Amino acid sequence: DIQLTQSPSFLSASVGDRVTITCRASQGISSYLAWYQQKPGKAPKLLIYAASTLQSGVPSRFSGSGSGTEFTLTISSLQPEDFATYYCQQLNSWGAFGQGTKVEIK
Amino acid sequence: EVQLVESGGGLVQPGGSLRLSCAASGFTFSSYWMSWVRQAPGKGLEWVANIKQDGSEKYYVDSVKGRFTISRDNAKNSLYLQMNSLRAEDTAVYYCARVGEAGIGLRYYYYMDVWGKGTTVTVSS
Repeated sequence: DIQLTQSPSFLSASVGDRVTITCRASQGISSYLAWYQQKPGKAPKLLIYAASTLQSGVPSRFSGSGSGTEFTLTISSLQPEDFATYYCQQLNSWGAFGQGTKVEIK
Repeated sequence: EVQLVESGGGLVQPGGSLRLSCAASGFTFSSYWMSWVRQAPGKGLEWVANIKQDGSEKYYVDSVKGRFTISRDNAKNSLYLQMNSLRAEDTAVYYCARVGEAGIGLRYYYYMDVWGKGTTVTVSS
């Protein structure tokens, strides 16, 4: 089974900061990776798919890159509404998620 | 409005059964793969199962194989998850999600683009 490892697990940042989250796959998954944002008590929201394609309606400060085994989610200028937990998901062989990265206010 | 609404959660004893439902509206349900994803209290997301548009292919995470069954009724725009032999570790919020598909270049990429609000399953004596 393909495992995904996110780093860091926890991140403290300020409004306006540039934030980068990494997701590493245990084996190559080409670009079959998606990123989600989840706020407490809410369902996840799709941000990016195919590693770098921005979902319609998602602000352009979010971007994704990578292929193979290493991927990144970048928020270019952190906004107050971006404080949440972020998950990567591989869709090369159905479905496993990373363990999540919680972004909190510094 | 594109919408997914889960129901059927509740409190069940270990070893018991429960059937979750997910009602879809606002899109052509029969055109999409569908998924169940769960989240244990204070934990991360865990993919549980997927089903193809016509129900001919189904996939499960190892921890639920042989105990859970995903199914769908395209005439009723509904997705189901039959859960048997429930364990304490199955306690979670269960979400249904639509699996979107995008053709980029020569490949198709999948993602979960519509989610319900979830239904809570608690397995406890």
